[in-house]
Formats: sequence, structure tokens, C-alpha cells
Amino acid sequence: GAGVSQSPSNKVTEKGKDVELRCDPISGHTALYWYRQSLGQGLEFLIYFQGNSAPDKSGLPSDRFSAERTGGSVSTLTIQRTQQEDSAVYLCASSAGLGGVDTQYFGPGTRLTVL
Amino acid sequence: GEDVEQSLFLSVREGDSSVINCTYTDSSSTYLYWYKQEPGAGLQLLTYIFSNMDMKQDQRLTVLLNKKDKHLSLRIADTQTGDSAIYFCADRLSYNTDKLIFGTGTRLQVFP
Repeated sequence: GAGVSQSPSNKVTEKGKDVELRCDPISGHTALYWYRQSLGQGLEFLIYFQGNSAPDKSGLPSDRFSAERTGGSVSTLTIQRTQQEDSAVYLCASSAGLGGVDTQYFGPGTRLTVL
Repeated sequence: GEDVEQSLFLSVREGDSSVINCTYTDSSSTYLYWYKQEPGAGLQLLTYIFSNMDMKQDQRLTVLLNKKDKHLSLRIADTQTGDSAIYFCADRLSYNTDKLIFGTGTRLQVFP
């Protein structure tokens, strides 16, 4: 597709279960970002991949959160032993990563609800 | 760490101008951006300004940057109901990274 896609669009899970959220970036984009959007909290940076460089994981809130980017394309954000405070919309974005203005293009997000 | 702040809500009448404000703390910002998020959707880039500019105009949108005060604003002229959305400002800290720091977002409500 032409844009960033994310799946699933909605995920309801029970506290303590693990979840995987998927992001398909725009083809050819070298940079990929994960954000979390909670009600009234704005957009919280989680992790950033750029090409083959080591990812910037400085925004991950705990060691229950991890992310991978395979083959420089698709990315999976994994949350282990989910807690109710993990409920939020998880947004993925990609960019060409070529410097300059470098617009980030966002997917529609995955709404995670932890019961 | 770096911080970007915005007021949470703004309500305007259709046809009036809207001004959304943003303050940031970083001294080495390169580009500053405005993104728009419509209900149930991801964010879309509206406009951006390079840090050595004071103003940028793009149709109904005017961006003002006061680098001394670290203050960014977005003015929407002749605001329409379709402009109702959440507006995020974002700060790109350096040329060596594509990472952005986003503000908390301002929810703009336009009423008839």
C-alpha cells in the first residue's frame, strides 16, 4: 500500500497476557518510529529505528516493552505481561530518513485495551 | 530532557482565526513541525518551519517562530468546522537524528 499500515486496529487483552503490534512502513523508508498516545498525555516517543543503526530505545517505559524491525522493513512492538496502564493507542510512523525536513508519515494506530 | 508544551484546548467560532501556541526547551532545534490528527486517524503533517526563519505562510496557515523565547505558534485564518482536530507541535533536535519530540497536543473545537 501507499501508506503506513498497522495491525490489528483494535486489541483487547487480559492483564498479564503478552501482545504483539505490527507496523508496515512505507516502502523504502529507512526510519521507523513507535509512539504511544494516552488520553490527555499527548504523544509519547517509545523507540526509533534508523537503517542498520542500533535503535534508540530511550522512550520504552519498562523492560516489558520491546520492538524489532526485521529486514529493515516490518516492525513488531511486543508488550509482555500487559498492565491496565498500557491501555493506549500505539502509533507507528516512518520517514525517508534522508535528512532535511524528513516528514514522518503515521499509520492509523492500534488501540490496545487491557482489562 | 527536552520538553514541548501546548495548551490542551481551544474553542473558536467558525470564520474566526485560531492561534495555537507551543513552547519548547531545546536550544538546538533544527525544524519545528505542526501535525494535525483528526478523530480516529493518525497524524498528518500540516506545515513546518526551519529554525532560522521567523515566519512561514501557507494558504490559511501562518507559522510564527520566536527563537529567543522558544515559542512557536500556528494561526489558522477563517477557521472552518473541518479544522476541528488535535494539533501537535514537534521539535526536531538536531540534523543528526530524525527523532521528534511532540507536544501534548491542542484540541481545537470549531463551533458554528
